[in-house]
Parts: sequence; structure tokens; C-alpha cells
Amino acid sequence: GDSVTQMEGPVTLSEEAFLTINCTYTATGYPSLFWYVQYPGEGLQLLLKATKADDKGSNKGFEATYRKETTSFHLEKGSVQVSDSAVYFCALSENFGNEKLTFGTGTRLTIIP
Amino acid sequence: KAGVTQTPRYLIKTRGQQVTLSCSPISGHRSVSWYQQTPGQGLQFLFEYFSETQRNKGNFPGRFSGRQFSNSRSEMNVSTLELGDSALYLCASSLGSSSYNEQFFGPGTRLTVL
Repeated sequence: GDSVTQMEGPVTLSEEAFLTINCTYTATGYPSLFWYVQYPGEGLQLLLKATKADDKGSNKGFEATYRKETTSFHLEKGSVQVSDSAVYFCALSENFGNEKLTFGTGTRLTIIP
Repeated sequence: KAGVTQTPRYLIKTRGQQVTLSCSPISGHRSVSWYQQTPGQGLQFLFEYFSETQRNKGNFPGRFSGRQFSNSRSEMNVSTLELGDSALYLCASSLGSSSYNEQFFGPGTRLTVL
């Protein structure tokens, strides 16, 4: 079945540091890939997405590129802020009307001033 | 446009009881999915409803059930509660009608089983 393997946390960085959170996936077809973010006490928010190979998703300074050859979708940001502290989830969805999301385990990110 | 709402936000039950959680999707969304989030198992898909029909189901026991009404609102029910059912239950809604639909999540219902 489908699975998502995500870099274990927690991750602690200083403000303005470079961020990478690794994500690799296993899927039978050609899934869509997502990064979701969860702030304390809240539900999940879609951060960015990519629906086909070589697509780059981007939002709020975060980027991730759909790499079919390495089955990866690593999240990056050039300069993190304290407000980026949250839990980040990599996820995939098989296409064609299948709404099921398969999530990674989540990575807790803490940014210190 | 109002987001996904879930009620109640917090719930405390004892073992053996049953519980019903409610989810109101974004207006116009016809698909509602439910997820269980626990520290040990992470986020796991429970089921998805589209136009009042269960369209997809995860690997949970039959104690977990759901339904969707004609206005797309959805409920999930857990019978004979166990301690391990303590979790954050998240609901997500989407249009559900094409090859890719962004899902919007509610704030969740925190269920504690004592």
C-alpha cells in the first residue's frame, strides 16, 4: 500500500537558518503530494502541493519539488522565522477522485530567536 | 466563506460508552473525510463520504462508523469506547468531484476516554 516516510523530529533551528525536512513516498500510481502544517491547538492547513512529476509547490517561502526518480518531496525554506514553529506533515493522495490522504509521521519544528 | 466546523471541540467519555462527533463542511463541498490523530499512530484515515455514500474506508474496526446527510454534514460514531480511542478526530471537506480536490480541515474534536 501507499506510505510516506518523513524525517524524524523534533527539529530546532535558529531564526534565519535554512530548513530542509525530508520526505519520501511509496505509491502504486502517480500520486499528488502535499505538505500540511499544524499549529498548536489547530487543524491542518495545506502549505503547498504538487500534482505531477517535476512540479514545484511553493507558499510563504516554502518550496518542495516532486521528484519521481527519487520518490521524494523534500520541504525547504531559505530563512525560517519564529512563526514557522509548528508540526509539518508530508502526505500523498492517489488521484481520480480518491480523497484519502496518507500522512507521514510529522516533524515538529521549533525556531528559536 | 465559513470554514469546516466540528462539534464538540472537547469530549470526555468512559470506557464502554458511545460517542457521536459532528462535522459541517464548507458550503458547496460534497466530500467529507475523517481522520484519527494520535501520538503513537499519527494521522490515520477513517472514511470518506460523498453525496451521502461511503466512498472509501480505512482499516478501523466496525465500532467506527459514519454517515452523511443530504446537506453534506457528516457524523461519525464510535461505539463501545476503548482507552485507545482517545485521540484528536479531524474532519476534512472538499468538492470531491474531480481528479484532485484540495481538502480543508476543521480544528478537530479532542476525545478523551477514561
